[in-house]
Amino acid sequence: EDQVTQSPEALRLQEGESSSLNCSYTVSGLRGLFWYRQDPGKGPEFLFTLYSAGEEKEKERLKATLTKKESFLHITAPKPEDSATYLCAVQAGVRSGSRLTFGEGTQLTVNP
Amino acid sequence: NAGVTQTPKFQVLKTGQSMTLQCAQDMNHEYMSWYRQDPGMGLRLIHYSVGAGITDQGEVPNGYNVSRSTTEDFPLRLLSAAPSQTSVYFCASSFGTSGGTLYEQYFGPGTRLTVT
Repeated sequence: EDQVTQSPEALRLQEGESSSLNCSYTVSGLRGLFWYRQDPGKGPEFLFTLYSAGEEKEKERLKATLTKKESFLHITAPKPEDSATYLCAVQAGVRSGSRLTFGEGTQLTVNP
Repeated sequence: NAGVTQTPKFQVLKTGQSMTLQCAQDMNHEYMSWYRQDPGMGLRLIHYSVGAGITDQGEVPNGYNVSRSTTEDFPLRLLSAAPSQTSVYFCASSFGTSGGTLYEQYFGPGTRLTVT
């Protein structure tokens, strides 16, 4: 059974204080790892997809990296508007169809 | 493009009632999925479809039915609502490779369902 664990559950940062969110996974045959941002009362918003170990992607203050066991979402000099819940999901296995398995998320708060 | 739309936004049902949650996308995506989101449980897959006429069960399919008669629409039916189905429901769609590897998924705004 695919498992995705995100840590920490919640993170409070001061504006400008860089940090990283972790997503560790146990799957059979990773096909893709996805990062999403979710604001309260809204649907998840796509950020990145990583397909192979060693891959990195960046967007503004966010950078996602992938190893064979985990992914990190690095946030550089965060701003209050980066406050949200960040979700990690994996697609795995030859017979997975369009199944994604999600972690429970990290709730990020950035204080001004 | 409207993206992924869901109706209704809010719904209250009594135990035993049935209803259909609507989902539509205008991006010509072949892959569509329904998830429910509960506190402490994350997003869980209910049913998904890899194209018109093709559906399959996800992690928590009991009590729900789906059909996909067109590329655009993927309704979710609650057959006999139960309090355990109180949740926020999200529909999502995406392109993917012929081998089934997904590209980015676009999510709708959600339907907040309460069953009393």
